[in-house]
Amino acid sequence: GAVVSQHPSRVICKSGTSVKIECRSLDFQATTMFWYRQFPKQSLMLMATSNEGSKATYEQGVEKDKFLINHASLTLSTLTVTSAHPEDSSFYICSALRGLQETQYFGPGTRLLVL
Amino acid sequence: AQTVTQSQPEMSVQEAETVTLSCTYDTSENNYYLFWYKQPPSRQMILVIRQEAYKQQNATENRFSVNFQKAAKSFSLKISDSQLGDTAMYFCAFMKPSYLNAGNNRKLIWGLGTSLAVNP
Repeated sequence: GAVVSQHPSRVICKSGTSVKIECRSLDFQATTMFWYRQFPKQSLMLMATSNEGSKATYEQGVEKDKFLINHASLTLSTLTVTSAHPEDSSFYICSALRGLQETQYFGPGTRLLVL
Repeated sequence: AQTVTQSQPEMSVQEAETVTLSCTYDTSENNYYLFWYKQPPSRQMILVIRQEAYKQQNATENRFSVNFQKAAKSFSLKISDSQLGDTAMYFCAFMKPSYLNAGNNRKLIWGLGTSLAVNP
C-alpha cells in the first residue's frame, strides 16, 4: 500500500505560539505533497502544494508567512502554523502524491485547537 | 476550469443492500483521472477507487465499482453488499495528468461530498 503518517494527531496550544505538523510518506518517495484544511462537514480546502527542494505554492487567500511549509526531503513535509490564533483551530490534513500512480494518499490528519 | 458535482448531500442504505452515489464533472480535457475517496468518522481520507479516463473499462475494487460514462461526464460509485463500516463521507475528485498541469500543479478538484449512512 501507500502509507502516509502525520504527527501530531492532535495539539492544543496557547494563542501566539507556533505549531509544527509533520507529514511523512512511509513506503514511497513523494516529490509533491499537499496541505489541506477541513472544516466540519465540509470538503477539503487546499492550502498549498509542497514540492521537494523548492518553494511551496500557496492557494489564493492563504498567508504564506503564517503557514510555513518546508519539504526538505522526498519523504517529509512540514507545516508550521506561526503565531497561532483561535481562528486557526481546525483539522489539517496532508497528502503525498505517488507519482507513477498519479494518486494522492492521505495522512490521518491533525486536530489543532488554539486557546 | 474543472468542476465536480455531487448532487446527493446525504444517503442511507440498509446493510447488505446496494447503493449508488452520483458524481458528474466538467472538463474540456480528454485525458484525466477520477477518484472516489472515503472519509469515515475517524476523518482518515481513504482512497476507494481510481479511474483513468483513457481506459474504457470501469474500475472495480472488491465491493466497490464505478460506472464511468465519459461522454456524459458521469462517474458514479456503486457499493454492493453494504456494510456498517461503509458509513462515511464519500468524495469524488478529478485531476488532470501531470503532463497537462502547468507548473507541476497536480491539484485535486473535489466535490462537496455525500454522507452515506449504512443502517443495520
